[in-house]
Amino acid sequence: SALTQPISVSGSPGQRITISCTGTGSVDVDYNYVSWYQQRPGTAPKLVIYDGFKRPSTVSSRFFGSKSGNTASLAISGLQADDEADYFCSSYTLTGSLVFGGGTKLTVL
Amino acid sequence: EVKLVESGGDLIRPGGSLRLSCATSGFTFSSNYMNWVRQAPGKGLECVSVSYRDGNVFYSDSVKGRFTVSRDNSNNTLFLQMTNLRVEDTAMYYCAKAGRRSGPLSNWGQGTLVTVSS
Repeated sequence: SALTQPISVSGSPGQRITISCTGTGSVDVDYNYVSWYQQRPGTAPKLVIYDGFKRPSTVSSRFFGSKSGNTASLAISGLQADDEADYFCSSYTLTGSLVFGGGTKLTVL
Repeated sequence: EVKLVESGGDLIRPGGSLRLSCATSGFTFSSNYMNWVRQAPGKGLECVSVSYRDGNVFYSDSVKGRFTVSRDNSNNTLFLQMTNLRVEDTAMYYCAKAGRRSGPLSNWGQGTLVTVSS
């Protein structure tokens, strides 16, 4: 993958967790267009963050996106059991192709 | 309400062909960038094609020359013609829309399963 994510993260209810998404350098990624998707088992991905930090109106304010250099991050505060899912980051390369990270499994303990 | 509904997935032998459809409603289909994204069982996401609203199409290297995207703007439907299918093409195939160039995939269909096996 052009973007590297941790395989798994975990946290207890009420805690704050962070998932990182780092460019491997294999392709030139435009970090201004990083999106994050939540995928619960057996369902389609759902957009939770776009353009690095913007949040669709239907997504909880507990989800927060940021970036620093070649690393984007997704933070989830006030962790809830319902947040347990796989999370994928994505962005576009400078030539316009869409690439995804390998995904991170979030476990709520 | 935005809706995307994929169909056409099936069990197919290696070397075979299949055509997937994505019927859409609730938005101006011709103005949007339409993507096919696949997910092999237990694996991550891979964008295999982007259909630009100007008619251009991007294909990933893994499907270039074997898959062809077309769109019927009068019926708001996206198609993915897949030929010379390989075992490694086995995946859930999702269509998803982006409202602008380099935009997020704001809406996804439920997916259609393609299994390539002898």
